[in-house]
Amino acid sequence: DTGVSQDPRHKITKRGQNVTFRCDPISEHNRLYWYRQTLGQGPEFLTYFQNEAQLEKSRLLSDRFSAERPKGSFSTLEIQRTEQGDSAMYLCASSLAEKLFFGSGTQLSVL
Amino acid sequence: DAKTTQPPSMDCAEGRAANLPCNHSTISGNEYVYWYRQIHSQGPQYIIHGLKNNETNEMASLIITEDRKSSTLILPHATLRDTAVYYCIGFNSGGSNYKLTFGKGTLLTVNP
Repeated sequence: DTGVSQDPRHKITKRGQNVTFRCDPISEHNRLYWYRQTLGQGPEFLTYFQNEAQLEKSRLLSDRFSAERPKGSFSTLEIQRTEQGDSAMYLCASSLAEKLFFGSGTQLSVL
Repeated sequence: DAKTTQPPSMDCAEGRAANLPCNHSTISGNEYVYWYRQIHSQGPQYIIHGLKNNETNEMASLIITEDRKSSTLILPHATLRDTAVYYCIGFNSGGSNYKLTFGKGTLLTVNP
């Protein structure tokens, strides 16, 4: 069990640029989640995959955000035309059942 | 999922027991109480969960009141590495989507 891996750990970008984050879940886990966390707040749910199917999306996930999980393995989260308000920690989690395992997150700073 | 209420912060001396309270007065009969913690710059980590019986594992103990309106997470011998934000979450695991709703949690500071 190598845990949930996220890449990169840190990303600094200029407003208006596109960014993409990757998440590699624990290998046998069929469920994958993306969360966003801002300073002083708990993680907020963004979206959920079961295998390759995206089954739920939060209203926080505007049309600038897109997530994929091709072949039900790794997942990517892309943010287009980044805004300063997108600055946050983006967390990925995976699970087989009710216990979620989180990665260490990608810290995004939009200048 | 039930709304939970936790104190924003607590202090504990190293080596002593840390008792973290959580109120969940609106919890329904099929909702579990889950505890996660988040150490600075890391993702949340599962600690323990329970429905109505007290639970213990290698990390902590969970005491749930008989009316299930509150619970206490107990770290029996807190160390400096237990300094973290602790989240109490009411969660219905009856469906297939195990989405957790986090509040602000309790920042536990373990002092030497």
